[in-house]
Amino acid sequence: QSALTQPPSASGSPGQSVAISCTGTSSDVGGYNYVSWYQHRPGKAPKLIMSEVNKRPSGVPDRFSGSKSGNTASLTVSGLQAEDEADYYCCSYAGRNNLGVFGGGTKLTV
Amino acid sequence: EVQLVESGGGLVNPGGSLRLSCAASGFTFRGAWMSWVRQAPGKGLEWVGRFKSKSDGGTTDFAAPVKDRFTMSRDDSKNTLSLQMNSLKIEDTAVYYCTADVPDTAAHSFDYWGQGILVTVSS
Repeated sequence: QSALTQPPSASGSPGQSVAISCTGTSSDVGGYNYVSWYQHRPGKAPKLIMSEVNKRPSGVPDRFSGSKSGNTASLTVSGLQAEDEADYYCCSYAGRNNLGVFGGGTKLTV
Repeated sequence: EVQLVESGGGLVNPGGSLRLSCAASGFTFRGAWMSWVRQAPGKGLEWVGRFKSKSDGGTTDFAAPVKDRFTMSRDDSKNTLSLQMNSLKIEDTAVYYCTADVPDTAAHSFDYWGQGILVTVSS
């Protein structure tokens, strides 16, 4: 499995919106609605912020939203806040007997 | 409160072995698909291996770079997961995270993560 493609960096000013893309293939992103997103701050454990393309776990602000079109999934962060500055990783399911695959990560600067 | 606590990391010579352990609490361990995810210095996250729950077959899957060198075991009576790493290579140097995919929550996602433990392979 090849890694999913994410832009290495993204940025926005406080209050703005930013979208991070995650491109795979029909064998992963395009084939299943099981794309998840993780927020990773330095020195901390990664945190699940989006599952099944667009489902927010309890406690995740509704400023975070997810979507998918074809082989590309996207995470949108609206109303950017300083605390949103972190690395963001997408991950896709790739079939019952395959490990899923991560994206290379996107460093979000606010 | 969910907790995943890794132990067993450290410095090891190339070609050596190391065993990581993960102690889980706060969720139904026997029903969870447990995985190890690693992050090499300056790199992104990489899924290392997965151990499905017994009810889903109890099988393991590994990433190509570690297949045939790493094995996993789980003890559902003690809520523990282990990663046995043999024939270690310099490129296995990373922070290793224990993760849990818990049923009845987000499907096929890493719902919970440990704090991670550093494994350094160097002479």
